[in-house]
Amino acid sequence: EAGVTQFPSHSVIEKGQTVTLRCDPISGHDNLYWYRRVMGKEIKFLLHFVKESKQDESGMPNNRFLAERTGGTYSTLKVQPAELEDSGVYFCASARSETQYFGPGTRLLVL
Amino acid sequence: AQSVAQPEDQVNVAEGNPLTVKCTYSVSGNPYLFWYVQYPNRGLQFLLKYITGDNLVKGSYGFEAEFNKSQTSFHLKKPSALVSDSTLYFCAVRVPYSSASKIIFGSGTRLSIRP
Repeated sequence: EAGVTQFPSHSVIEKGQTVTLRCDPISGHDNLYWYRRVMGKEIKFLLHFVKESKQDESGMPNNRFLAERTGGTYSTLKVQPAELEDSGVYFCASARSETQYFGPGTRLLVL
Repeated sequence: AQSVAQPEDQVNVAEGNPLTVKCTYSVSGNPYLFWYVQYPNRGLQFLLKYITGDNLVKGSYGFEAEFNKSQTSFHLKKPSALVSDSTLYFCAVRVPYSSASKIIFGSGTRLSIRP
């Protein structure tokens, strides 16, 4: 069974630019989550999809972040425009039940 | 507020000795508890979980964790440490039966095993 995959693995952009992160969950997992770890701090929840619907987006920091999950399969997280404080590692996870399985993360650096 | 605490930023153990990585939580109700491990350039890998039942749960790579409800703790343990166990460990909690199924993570503990 393939695990959660994320693309790209690394992204370096300049402040003000746009970046789109992609997550492909484990096949059959209706639940998809986004988390991020900024500046080596705690891993923080961003949002949760159940199929294509946003179940909980309480962790989204501001309206520069937009997440979508078209068709209930893969998800994208767009940051527009990116700010310096957005630098960090963005993790995606998927779950069928209580255990969430994480992808390798996307390391984002905003200069 | 719900929270998870890992009081040690780093734990140093000699190879072959037992290891303990501490975790305490502050969550209402009966939480689901997890340990994840992060190897360099890889994602968070699920290690083990406690949902209900026996307080001692066993996971991957010889790790186990003991749930203690009275002390609200879920310490990670291994009887005999290996150098290859050296990496970053995260304790996490999820509140069940709520509309929010997000995981709350601790700050992480770096485990260093010396040969």
